[in-house]
Amino acid sequence: DGGITQSPKYLFRKEGQNVTLSCEQNLNHDAMYWYRQDPGQGLRLIYYSQIVNDFQKGDIAEGYSVSREKKESFPLTVTSAQKNPTAFYLCASSIYPDPSNQPQHFGDGTRLSIL
Amino acid sequence: SQQGEEDPQALSIQEGENATMNCSYKTSINNLQWYRQNSGRGLVHLILIRSNEREKHSGRLRVTLDTSKKSSSLLITASRAADTASYFCATVDYNTDKLIFGTGTRLQVFP
Repeated sequence: DGGITQSPKYLFRKEGQNVTLSCEQNLNHDAMYWYRQDPGQGLRLIYYSQIVNDFQKGDIAEGYSVSREKKESFPLTVTSAQKNPTAFYLCASSIYPDPSNQPQHFGDGTRLSIL
Repeated sequence: SQQGEEDPQALSIQEGENATMNCSYKTSINNLQWYRQNSGRGLVHLILIRSNEREKHSGRLRVTLDTSKKSSSLLITASRAADTASYFCATVDYNTDKLIFGTGTRLQVFP
């Protein structure tokens, strides 16, 4: 079955530590996205990638970094510069980078907490 | 920036009743999307309605769009306990060309 796989499901970060969240898709989608969701709130865009080896900052990119070396993979690193990283992180993809007309497919998220 | 806002924030109903959620947005749109999120899971796309459409159906879902009032509604008919979830509307911000999600309506359906 095609889909998006996020791992791990739960992740704990120590002070000063960088952590990387994995996102893999086998849908052959061009565009991939990372969102942050805080309790009771909507999704906020962190980074997005329209094509391999290219990515752009979203609304809340500070303290995060990404790479897109393969079409299937879009890992997100939460750096020590992100002072409030506790949140639910969602990865999504769409067949084309056309958010107005293309539905986005989501993984089941990674819940990141501070130790 | 907040493009869509859902109303009510929370809704509790009995199985078999209908559930109506509303979404208001601020700027002109090409289309509007609705998503569902079960607790602790990712979002699932439900329906996309284009700006030139007034109503769209998908199974027990009915979505309406009123571009003059910049609002949309999602109606779930004959609700089931399995419909318990948060529902989000999403539109594209013309300035940034990014999809913006509202804060969601939490629906609880009691058996």
